[in-house]
Amino acid sequence: EIVLTQSPGTLSLSPGERATLSCRASQSVSSSYLAWYQQKPGQAPRLLIYGASSRATGIPDRFSGSGSGTDFTLTISRLEPEDFAVYYCQQYGSSRITFGQGTRLEIK
Amino acid sequence: QVQLVQSGSELKKPGASVKVSCKASGYTFTSYAMNWVRQAPGQGLEWMGWINTNTGNPTYAQGFTGRFVFSLDTSVSTAYLQISSLKAEDTAVYYCARDVASNSGYDAFDIWGQGTMVTVSS
Repeated sequence: EIVLTQSPGTLSLSPGERATLSCRASQSVSSSYLAWYQQKPGQAPRLLIYGASSRATGIPDRFSGSGSGTDFTLTISRLEPEDFAVYYCQQYGSSRITFGQGTRLEIK
Repeated sequence: QVQLVQSGSELKKPGASVKVSCKASGYTFTSYAMNWVRQAPGQGLEWMGWINTNTGNPTYAQGFTGRFVFSLDTSVSTAYLQISSLKAEDTAVYYCARDVASNSGYDAFDIWGQGTMVTVSS
């Protein structure tokens, strides 16, 4: 099983700032099969990024993903009020899909 | 529009069974794999497995064998999750989620149901 470790656990920033979220895998993620999701309280997760760097349909370009192998990053260039939520990474390159434990992005 | 609509919240006693439905609309149901994801209260996301909506072949993740059954009714574009012999630790929100690209499985999930809360309590 590929274990995904997200850091930091909580990130406190202000609107307009840049957010950088990390996801580290315990072994290499095949073909960069890494996705990022946003989840707000009481809502289902929403796909932001797949294939490590491809934005999903309708996702604003302030969201970007990068990385390969075992180290991946989600960057939000300028935080909007609606971006404060929990973010999960997911790997789907192995026969057991796994999620990271999440990063909570909170308003400073 | 493309959407997945799940059945409502359930309150069950330990030992009972529950069946959660996930009705798809706005796309060809049999063209995309369907996954099930569990989220215990205040916890993260846990993948339970997936079902090929064309063949009906299910694949269960470790820890979700035996009491968990994925099924389909393609005539009404609906996927089902049945859990038997319910335990308190099954209390969670259960999501269905569609694969991005195909029926091959092991993909990102682009469309999610709204979630079904299952509470197991005596």
